[in-house]
Amino acid sequence: LAKTTQPISMDSYEGQEVNITCSHNNIATNDYITWYQQFPSQGPRFIIQGYKTKVTNEVASLFIPADRKSSTLSLPRVSLSDTAVYYCLVAGDTGGFKTIFGAGTRLFVKA
Amino acid sequence: NAGVTQTPKFRVLKTGQSMTLLCAQDMNHEYMYWYRQDPGMGLRLIHYSVGEGTTAKGEVPDGYNVSRLKKQNFLLGLESAAPSQTSVYFCASSRMTGRGNQPQHFGDGTRLSIL
Repeated sequence: LAKTTQPISMDSYEGQEVNITCSHNNIATNDYITWYQQFPSQGPRFIIQGYKTKVTNEVASLFIPADRKSSTLSLPRVSLSDTAVYYCLVAGDTGGFKTIFGAGTRLFVKA
Repeated sequence: NAGVTQTPKFRVLKTGQSMTLLCAQDMNHEYMYWYRQDPGMGLRLIHYSVGEGTTAKGEVPDGYNVSRLKKQNFLLGLESAAPSQTSVYFCASSRMTGRGNQPQHFGDGTRLSIL
């Protein structure tokens, strides 16, 4: 299973763009990269998933370089409500059920 | 549109007692999972199921048992609760496809304290 490394915490201000980078040097060919968001007292919520290059949805963008050894979650113009823990996961068809959530990145958005 | 529902939401047990946590999903998902989350930490997979009648061990299975008698339900049992099992338990479900790791849908958790 590919292990991921993320910053423990990040601070930002409302209206700024936030980029959270995740390292996954041992990513396998069949692995996909998935990001989740978790608010206090709630279960994680799926944000975005990608395999390579760039993926964008109404919430975020995910940038994955050609070597796929890292990925960057980009949150445009964050608000106070984006304060949460963000998890990066790497898993695929093989052994993909044994998903490993690291400690995540605690994002704190200030007014 | 309930998604994943966990019961109970809170529970306090004494050491040695047993209990069952229930997870129900209404999305017709094939895969279901049980995780535990300890303070300041990520989620750790306890057991999972890839279909009705099948279960498998995850990262931290000791002290827990599971059953998936119906596709929509996944039960987590503690036979003899220990203080080390004090945690927040999350259930999740996901679709089965031929590619990648499908996004998991989570319940809001069961907060379990063992005295």
